[in-house]
Amino acid sequence: QKEVEQDPGPLSVPEGAIVSLNCTYSNSAFQYFMWYRQYSRKGPELLMYTYSSGNKEDGRFTAQVDKSSKYISLFIRDSQPSDSATYLCAMSESAGNMLTFGGGTRLMVKP
Amino acid sequence: EAGVVQSPRYKIIEKKQPVAFWCNPISGHNTLYWYLQNLGQGPELLIRYENEEAVDDSQLPKDRFSAERLKGVDSTLKIQPAELGDSAVYLCASSLEGTSGPPANEQFFGPGTRLTVL
Repeated sequence: QKEVEQDPGPLSVPEGAIVSLNCTYSNSAFQYFMWYRQYSRKGPELLMYTYSSGNKEDGRFTAQVDKSSKYISLFIRDSQPSDSATYLCAMSESAGNMLTFGGGTRLMVKP
Repeated sequence: EAGVVQSPRYKIIEKKQPVAFWCNPISGHNTLYWYLQNLGQGPELLIRYENEEAVDDSQLPKDRFSAERLKGVDSTLKIQPAELGDSAVYLCASSLEGTSGPPANEQFFGPGTRLTVL
């Protein structure tokens, strides 16, 4: 079993829908949680990071961390075709530790 | 500001041949990372440099892989000899620092080199 699990999708939604992307993990020592977006043939780019539990909002994006359940989520409101990409969650035990990535969820937003 | 530059973008070689990838990080970034990303998977760290020093190379298959970061700027990752299972995307990333918290340790990724071993 992998340390970080993500449903590979693809997840197909109509434009304007609310999207929910999720990761589960097994290492209770993870403290930093990140979401990356990766377009085809590109490198990942950081969308959001959260330290420990709680919510964080940035524009149309909201990240949630539930450490008691070892479960993190990324919500995208008013999804756009330009949001079509693979979304990777990543985690680390401390600021200087290596990142452990999930396998990514491919999202397709149809006009 | 220029991002992380990698070359070549694509490489096709036959098995047992050597191959090298080059990375130029963002100017001023002290920490450089090499990742391997298989199709449908997340990136996996191969090696991390703090300036010229390799501080985390536990995931690097040292029998065939080697890396260097001369003068603490550009870096090269080499595979010799390449095997069929090495076909993947090799990503380079850089950050201001590797041990501080966000945003200093935010990693900026290059577009990767897609390696195909025949």
